[in-house]
Amino acid sequence: EVLLVESGGGLVQTGGSLRLSCAASGFTFNNYVMTWVRQAPGKGLEWVSSISGRGGTTYYADSVKGRFTISRDNSKKTLHLQIDSLRTEDTAIYYCAKETAYQRPIYADSWGQGTLVSVSS
Amino acid sequence: QLVLTQAPSASASLGASVKLTCTLSSGLSSNAIAWHQHQPEKGPRFLMKVNSDGSHSRGDGLPDRFSGSSSGAERYLTVSSLQSEDEADYYCQTWDTGVQIFGGGTRLTVL
Repeated sequence: EVLLVESGGGLVQTGGSLRLSCAASGFTFNNYVMTWVRQAPGKGLEWVSSISGRGGTTYYADSVKGRFTISRDNSKKTLHLQIDSLRTEDTAIYYCAKETAYQRPIYADSWGQGTLVSVSS
Repeated sequence: QLVLTQAPSASASLGASVKLTCTLSSGLSSNAIAWHQHQPEKGPRFLMKVNSDGSHSRGDGLPDRFSGSSSGAERYLTVSSLQSEDEADYYCQTWDTGVQIFGGGTRLTVL
């Protein structure tokens, strides 16, 4: 059974930083693209970033490019999202998701429960 | 312009059927999509992939009350024999080179 457990969320002031993590189990981690998706309060799902199976290629939404950095440690089966220069509009639940492909983000077939990031001004 | 359009809300009675629609913008009209269900206080759940020819593949353990279909630039999710636990937000999602796009979601109310 695929299990994805996010951690690292919290309350931060604008301009601050956070590092989110996602511990994966139940599948061959380095065979799949991994993705972060967020949901702001009262809003829909928004794709944030993805990373290829080996970690050599990263993808970002325009809204986070230059401030967010996705990475993965395949030896520890862990996905990370470094969030810098936080803005109030980054307040959201951040979900980790396992994709169905190896190289490019296509669609996720497993999701975590999410971790809440709250940014105060 | 990469846009997926969904009605903000839908409702149907317990035991009835409902068909949710996702409309792809002209740049995506031949794309496959994925449907995801999102219940309150839970992580989203992948439901199925729907191809442009209407074929679909369900996620593990998804009952066959859930089915997918296509017509032109529209992709559909039909839920039959509605149950109270089907009340949720439903999102369609597709992809282009290196990006993913979500529709705005449809909130389904089971009456």
